[in-house]
Amino acid sequence: EAQVTQNPRYLITVTGKKLTVTCSQNMNHEYMSWYRQDPGLGLRQIYYSMNVEVTDKGDVPEGYKVSRKEKRNFPLILESPSPNQTSLYFCASSFGVAPSYEQYFGPGTRLTVT
Amino acid sequence: AQSVTQLGSHVSVSEGALVLLRCNYSSSVPPYLFWYVQYPNQGLQLLLKYTTGATLVKGINGFEAEFKKSETSFHLTKPSAHMSDAAEYFCAVGDYGNNRLAFGKGNQVVVIP
Repeated sequence: EAQVTQNPRYLITVTGKKLTVTCSQNMNHEYMSWYRQDPGLGLRQIYYSMNVEVTDKGDVPEGYKVSRKEKRNFPLILESPSPNQTSLYFCASSFGVAPSYEQYFGPGTRLTVT
Repeated sequence: AQSVTQLGSHVSVSEGALVLLRCNYSSSVPPYLFWYVQYPNQGLQLLLKYTTGATLVKGINGFEAEFKKSETSFHLTKPSAHMSDAAEYFCAVGDYGNNRLAFGKGNQVVVIP
């Protein structure tokens, strides 16, 4: 089944404790992206990647890191999480660069930072 | 940069009534436009998209949207709401300059029995 998977689905952590949210897709998509969803703000892009070893900042990159060492994986790293990073996070992928192509979304990771 | 505006964060509709969600876009180039739906505790899934060609686009679950260039709009409609349509709906436009989709803030649809 074609899908985007994220782990974990739920995470509660404390301020400053490094964490990684994994994202994997099995559709051989070149483009991958991370979003955060907050009430009243919609989806805001954090980082995106157009291919292996090619990443770039989105709208809200501060406090996040990403890497794209393999085509299928695009982990999101919070080196020192803070409470304002409490949010619902989505990973997405598409066959080509986002403006023209449908994006496929993962199920989301709900992160709480205390 | 391209952007979309969705008005009215919460929309209530009676079961069997018309669903109408408004989306206006801003784009300096011919736009690619999308509607996504998010059911509770799930990720987003594509309802429909407009790229080029026919301006009336049909999607899944009986939804359709009409691209109107003169009004810079891409409103989503469904003739008769079902309880299963309760979800959050997002309009998005392709933002070439930033290699992304620019999403609106969403409409939370509540269906009243």
